[in-house]
Amino acid sequence: DTAVSQTPKYLVTQMGNDKSIKCEQNLGHDTMYWYKQDSKKFLKIMFSYNNKELIINETVPNRFSPKSPDKAHLNLHINSLELGDSAVYFCASSPLANYEQYFGPGTRLTVT
Amino acid sequence: AQTVTQSQPEMSVQEAETVTLSCTYDTSENNYYLFWYKQPPSRQMILVIRQEAYKQQNATENRFSVNFQKAAKSFSLKISDSQLGDTAMYFCAFMYSGGGADGLTFGKGTHLIIQP
Repeated sequence: DTAVSQTPKYLVTQMGNDKSIKCEQNLGHDTMYWYKQDSKKFLKIMFSYNNKELIINETVPNRFSPKSPDKAHLNLHINSLELGDSAVYFCASSPLANYEQYFGPGTRLTVT
Repeated sequence: AQTVTQSQPEMSVQEAETVTLSCTYDTSENNYYLFWYKQPPSRQMILVIRQEAYKQQNATENRFSVNFQKAAKSFSLKISDSQLGDTAMYFCAFMYSGGGADGLTFGKGTHLIIQP
């Protein structure tokens, strides 16, 4: 059974388009996160959600918007995609805020 | 804000050797966790080992162990009897444990190559 899943695993799209990445966890965790890994492999947190409430937003452009329809899901919507948005996006979850995190497989987004 | 520094962008050792990856961090907090994550070419993030800052005893997980020096803010990872499957990016990460959901702060990673 997959603990944290993301769809799609690969996403190729053109500049200016709007796209979404879905994340689901079946671990019963309260907190979910989105991270971005750039072309140099550097990982940085984007958002954190605890019990469906946004906790942090680390200076991410407002073209990025997380949406949490329920505790098990945290989707990432990206509007007006730019070349610089090309990266791998990871979803993660943890049982408590600031505890061990379980990562999804990542979504490689390529903007052309 | 905390920072995590990994000073070795790449390391290469022979199979069965022991290798140590270095990590230093900077924080004004007293309660936190430190982690090492492994990212193989499949890109899956895999937790290797975790250390709670309040614990003096160094964490170990089979062939993996850490040397945690809280005063020096150092958290190195030792891999014993290295195997080909250990080839991966290794990330050191910090997380505040005092409440909120700040998430992980990562270092830039060390690319470890195990040679046959």
